[in-house]
Amino acid sequence: DTEVTQTPKHLVMGMTNKKSLKCEQHMGHRAMYWYKQKAKKPPELMFVYSYEKLSINESVPSRFSPECPNSSLLNLHLHALQPEDSALYLCASNPPGGSTDTQYFGPGTRLTVL
Amino acid sequence: SQQGEEDPQALSIQEGENATMNCSYKTSINNLQWYRQNSGRGLVHLILIRSNEREKHSGRLRVTLDTSKKSSSLLITASRAADTASYFCATGVSGTYKYIFGTGTRLKVLA
Repeated sequence: DTEVTQTPKHLVMGMTNKKSLKCEQHMGHRAMYWYKQKAKKPPELMFVYSYEKLSINESVPSRFSPECPNSSLLNLHLHALQPEDSALYLCASNPPGGSTDTQYFGPGTRLTVL
Repeated sequence: SQQGEEDPQALSIQEGENATMNCSYKTSINNLQWYRQNSGRGLVHLILIRSNEREKHSGRLRVTLDTSKKSSSLLITASRAADTASYFCATGVSGTYKYIFGTGTRLKVLA
């Protein structure tokens, strides 16, 4: 199984809502990532978890709150977002050992903030 | 910015022609990977080349890596309409969990 799954596929939320994005992998990978991607731009790294601990936070606003409850699951909690946060949110994972191996991506969640 | 550069930004070719896209980067790397992305969907991994390799092939794909110039190229031979997509390079930064993406090349293959 070389699949990373993400739910939901699409999400529309108001600026006062609280929602969560979910990512799951069963490849035994111990590094998991959140990226944000705007149209016609490359993915931008947001967070990296290694062995369920937050190892990289790329100065992301606190309205985005990541969580890694176990080695297979990664969540991104959203609160008080702005319209400019509308984007494709991608989850990825790779085997332990840092950036030495293939990174596998999920299909993404298309987020629209009204 | 740590972001890698890719050129061209956009490329339009006829079916059957070859497509070449280039990637330059700034840091010391473990490897360089190429991904394809169709119309705002997830990234599909195409090929990985390690820092001690110079050339790699996979089907119609050929990747080269020149670490002295900090650059890589992706060649797609005998292109098909289904190859129409955005292509991104990503470098695994040595000593970290970080991957840095290039700016991307939008390829259009005309039938």
